[in-house]
Amino acid sequence: DVKVTQSSRYLVKRTGEKVFLECVQDMDHENMFWYRQDPGLGLRLIYFSYDVKMKEKGDIPEGYSVSREKKERFSLILESASTNQTSMYLCASQLGVAGRETQYFGPGTRLLVL
Amino acid sequence: KQEVTQIPAALSVPEGENLVLNCSFTDSAIYNLQWFRQDPGKGLTSLLLIQSSQREQTSGRLNASLDKSSGRSTLYIAASQPGDSATYLCAVRLTSGTYKYIFGTGTRLKVLA
Repeated sequence: DVKVTQSSRYLVKRTGEKVFLECVQDMDHENMFWYRQDPGLGLRLIYFSYDVKMKEKGDIPEGYSVSREKKERFSLILESASTNQTSMYLCASQLGVAGRETQYFGPGTRLLVL
Repeated sequence: KQEVTQIPAALSVPEGENLVLNCSFTDSAIYNLQWFRQDPGKGLTSLLLIQSSQREQTSGRLNASLDKSSGRSTLYIAASQPGDSATYLCAVRLTSGTYKYIFGTGTRLKVLA
């Protein structure tokens, strides 16, 4: 079974702090994604990566950056946390093969910015 | 711009009932569509993936259909059980060449024992 793990289940940070969220997958998947999930807005894509060191902006990249130095690890960075970044953050991975694009999600990190 | 809608937002049914969840999308040029379930406070679990060339997929008591021309997908759950209680989300991947998925906001299902 594919396993996607996220570094923290719950996180509390102060406004202005730099925040790192880490995601690790164990299935050698090419594609990895970061989403945020907010009530009434659903899941929105922040960034995705289709290979090591490769990334593309999603729909809401402002205030975020990402890093993918190794294939199994995809990090989301909040450069200067703000209260409007309080949310549930979900990481997903996916095999980059046509016909096998099932996305596998981690358990999520619930971030509270005070 | 692709929009994905799921109606109703919430649904309660008695145990044993067969039920249908709906997913509508505005642009029929999709690459595939995926159904997920999400338990409270948890991540998403993939249920079924339908490619744009397929009409339906089945897994156990679940059957998902896709009608691209009308911009609709349905998830059929047979003989519902209390353990099926969760939020069900659909997501469409835009046409080949991008990995972007657009998610619906989900249908919260409660199956009453």
